[in-house]
Amino acid sequence: SQQGEEDPQALSIQEGENATMNCSYKTSINNLQWYRQNSGRGLVHLILIRSNEREKHSGRLRVTLDTSKKSSSLLITASRAADTASYFCGNSGNTPLVFGKGTRLSVIA
Amino acid sequence: DTGVSQDPRHKITKRGQNVTFRCDPISEHNRLYWYRQTLGQGPEFLTYFQNEAQLEKSRLLSDRFSAERPKGSFSTLEIQRTEQGDSAMYLCASSFGGGRSYNEQFFGPGTRLTVL
Repeated sequence: SQQGEEDPQALSIQEGENATMNCSYKTSINNLQWYRQNSGRGLVHLILIRSNEREKHSGRLRVTLDTSKKSSSLLITASRAADTASYFCGNSGNTPLVFGKGTRLSVIA
Repeated sequence: DTGVSQDPRHKITKRGQNVTFRCDPISEHNRLYWYRQTLGQGPEFLTYFQNEAQLEKSRLLSDRFSAERPKGSFSTLEIQRTEQGDSAMYLCASSFGGGRSYNEQFFGPGTRLTVL
């Protein structure tokens, strides 16, 4: 299976804290994408990082990519209750996106 | 609203019946994707189209599943002789794209299928 893994599977933090999620993948990639999914809804694209990039920022989001370790991390700073959702990484190589099982983030107000 | 839309949002059917879902992508997007998602799992790729051509199909797409995108705009996903294991959320997404470059995808709200 080409499916990657997000770690941890579940994360619970207080509002205002930072949340870090990790993603490992198995194949070579063109890019890696992070998505958020609120319960029962479709996925929302957060950020795309290309294989030749090491770090990318978007607002309160920071994504890193280590192609030698086949891993990526997503950092959400100053978390809010509205950040409560599942977060998925999707790796894009020679096939369309392969998603892991996601990290379920709960931000407690 | 110019996002991806899916119809119906919910479908309950009996085992053995056929069901058809529709997806309307963002109009400028040339690629359209179908995924299946079960509880606690990430989306699993089923198939995708570039314009009207179906370029790739997953091994998950058994011969009971068929997808079309006849005019390169909306797409339909049909499941024949449904089984209880087909119960899942079926997600559609669209994007710009060409070659082996897969860009950010815009997802619809999904169709939740329950097979009794």
